[in-house]
Amino acid sequence: ELKVEQNPLFLSMQEGKNYTIYCNYSTTSDRLYWYRQDPGKSLESLFVLLSNGAVKQEGRLMASLDTKARLSTLHITAAVHDLSATYFCAVALISSGSARQLTFGSGTQLTVLP
Amino acid sequence: DAGITQSPRHKVTETGTPVTLRCHQTENHRYMYWYRQDPGHGLRLIHYSYGVKDTDKGEVSDGYSVSRSKTEDFLLTLESATSSQTSVYFCAIREQGNTEAFFGQGTRLTVV
Repeated sequence: ELKVEQNPLFLSMQEGKNYTIYCNYSTTSDRLYWYRQDPGKSLESLFVLLSNGAVKQEGRLMASLDTKARLSTLHITAAVHDLSATYFCAVALISSGSARQLTFGSGTQLTVLP
Repeated sequence: DAGITQSPRHKVTETGTPVTLRCHQTENHRYMYWYRQDPGHGLRLIHYSYGVKDTDKGEVSDGYSVSRSKTEDFLLTLESATSSQTSVYFCAIREQGNTEAFFGQGTRLTVV
């Protein structure tokens, strides 16, 4: 059974500071996703990481993947209030009909304080 | 935005009643998924479909059934709703050969 663990679950940080969210998973996978969710809203895709050593950056967010360690990180640089949201990682496994089931972590609720 | 519409968006129902949630897509994507979201659990897969009339169970399928008679529609049915099925339900779609999965706006279901 695939387990996906995120930490921390809650994160308060000052504007302008850097921090990292970690995502560990228990089974080999070739795809890892990061999503953002604002309160009461749907999930917004941030990154899809497809290979060992993959690194993607968008604005103040950078995601990386180490498939050997089964670890992905989401690094936040110089946080701003607009980044306050819940961030989820999700790991894909192939299943029936080549569908890919996503198993999600519990999420990291990020609050950026002025 | 990906063309995904969930209906209803909000529903309150009584324990023991049947409930059907609908996910409609205009993208002609092959794969469709139903997830539920509960505090502390992230999203958990209920059922998914890999084609018309082709479905399979996910992690938390007990108490739920699905049907897909057309490419564009994926229905989730709670045969006899229970309070433990109070949740936010999300539909997702993905195109064959594509890595991206897109989520609908969600349906908030309350079973009283």
